[in-house]
Order: sequence, then structure tokens, then C-alpha cells
Amino acid sequence: AQKVTQAQTEISVVEKEDVTLDCVYETRDTTYYLFWYKQPPSGELVFLIRRNSFDEQNEISGRYSWNFQKSTSSFNFTITASQVVDSAVYFCALSVYYTGNQFYFGTGTSLTVIP
Amino acid sequence: EAQVTQNPRYLITVTGKKLTVTCSQNMNHEYMSWYRQDPGLGLRQIYYSMNVEATDKGDVPEGYKVSRKEKRNFPLILESPSPNQTSLYFCASRKTGNQPQHFGDGTRLSIL
Repeated sequence: AQKVTQAQTEISVVEKEDVTLDCVYETRDTTYYLFWYKQPPSGELVFLIRRNSFDEQNEISGRYSWNFQKSTSSFNFTITASQVVDSAVYFCALSVYYTGNQFYFGTGTSLTVIP
Repeated sequence: EAQVTQNPRYLITVTGKKLTVTCSQNMNHEYMSWYRQDPGLGLRQIYYSMNVEATDKGDVPEGYKVSRKEKRNFPLILESPSPNQTSLYFCASRKTGNQPQHFGDGTRLSIL
């Protein structure tokens, strides 16, 4: 069975603090893809990153960075020097090749950045 | 502009009155999906489609129907809506199975 767990339901940080959003996934398949999406208060879902199971290289994009560790089945997302505009719900998702690439979403982490 | 368009954006209706939420994409994507978003439960897949005339159930298909007669359209049908289908619904599309999904703006349904 496939599953994505985002144990942090809500996080509040003060502006300029760093924050890490945790994502743990479960799958028995060796070919899979991991994603992060952002849902700001306006409600739309915005794609942030995709990582495949064969590429454990960490990625940095501006203030955002992602740490993919197969050994712990985790794909964590760090925001450095957080800003008010980062306030949103963040979803981690898993797509598994052998289930027809169905997407499995976590329950989301609501991040509030306090000015 | 590449987009996924859902209609209506908001709907309040009553139990048992059939309704259809339309979804259309202009990116020639193979895959399309429907999700519902409920507080504390994240996004759960209702149905998905790999191509025209190819659909399959997701995690919560009960009470919903879909069809994929054309590549660009993937309507969600509630034959006899009930209050537990009150939710925020998203349609999504992607080019291939492992590509990121493009989401519509969402449809907020209230079933009284």
C-alpha cells in the first residue's frame, strides 16, 4: 500500500526563521516520484518540485530546499528565512509507477509565518 | 494560456438533485483526475483517467461517476448528491503519469 504522512498539522514561525516540513512516505515499489505542492490562502494548488526515486540529490531553489533520503523514506522541505508570503498549506505527494501513477497526497501542513 | 478549467466554481444544491462539474484542459494531457479536499484529510483521489475511454477508481469513488469521451474533458457526475459530498473539488491533468499535475481552481460544493 502507498501512503504519505505529514505529521505536522500546523506550524507557526516568526518571519525570518527557518522551518522544515516533514514528509514520510511508504511504498514497496522501486520506481516512484515525490512532489511538493503549495496551497496559499487563495486556494489554488501550486507545484513546487518533483523528485524521482533514483535521484537522491538534494535540491535548492532560492529560499527553498528539499532533502530526499530513501533510507528513512523521507522527503523534507525547508524554507530558509521565512516570509509572510510563505503562509500556506503544503502538501507532499507520492506517485507510484506500478499503480498507474496514481497520486497519493499527505494531509498537509498548514504553515503560518508571523510578521 | 495553459490551464485546467472547472465549472462551476461554487454550487449550493439539495440532496438528490443530479449535478455535473465540468473540467477541461487545453494542454493535450493524457492523464486527468478528480480529487476532493476535506479538512484534516488532505486531497483524496476520486477517479482518474489515463486516456480517452480509460478511467479507474481512486480512493473514494462511491457516489461519483466520470466519463472521458474526449481528451480535453473529464466531467464529474453526482447522480444523487448527499450532504457528505459537501467538499472542495479539484480537477487535475498531467502529460504522463510521472509528471506534475496541473490543477484547476477548485469547485466548492455544498449539498443541503
